Amino acid sequence: QQQVKQSPQSLIVQKGGISIINCAYENTAFDYFPWYQQFPGKGPALLIAIRPDVSEKKEGRFTISFNKSAKQFSLHIMDSQPGDSATYFCAASTQGGSEKLVFGKGTKLTVNP
Amino acid sequence: DVKVTQSSRYLVKRTGEKVFLECVQDMDHENMFWYRQDPGLGLRLIYFSYDVKMKEKGDIPEGYSVSREKKERFSLILESASTNQTSMYLCASNTGGEAQPQHFGDGTRLSIL
Repeated sequence: QQQVKQSPQSLIVQKGGISIINCAYENTAFDYFPWYQQFPGKGPALLIAIRPDVSEKKEGRFTISFNKSAKQFSLHIMDSQPGDSATYFCAASTQGGSEKLVFGKGTKLTVNP
Repeated sequence: DVKVTQSSRYLVKRTGEKVFLECVQDMDHENMFWYRQDPGLGLRLIYFSYDVKMKEKGDIPEGYSVSREKKERFSLILESASTNQTSMYLCASNTGGEAQPQHFGDGTRLSIL
């Protein structure tokens, strides 16, 4: 029940395309859903996060869509660029994010020029 | 900017050795975390600490221990290293409270021969 299931494991997109990464969870106590971005040789860094009181959050080309009833959330990267090539992790937490994060297994995104 | 520094980028040790991985953060964060990252398995929490001398087990604590004698420093200890502990180890920190991002170091790639 503590798991966060992430798909796909890898994704190849052409420059300018839309990248979509999906995550699903079971624990209804989760109330904070961040996405982390990790470049090769670097640690992950927070990209964007959402709370379940909204269905969508957008920051530049990155959008989180959240479906509370389906217990799913997804990351959309519009106009994908080669510089977006990285590994993306979804995560979830309780207590508004003050508790430990449960991470998905990651998606390696490659954006071809 | 928050800086989380891990003492070694690469480390090679032998089976049975006692191994110390060090992590220092410079932002007076209350919380510190140790993860291991393996391909296809994502980020798995080993131990975390909410305060000096406090520690809690994460999801995979077996074979590891931790020490937090000072607020800025969190050490991961492999009591008797084994080959299945060959991995990338990531340290993170954040301040207490809701929706506080975890700030990661760049990792230590540990090889146990």
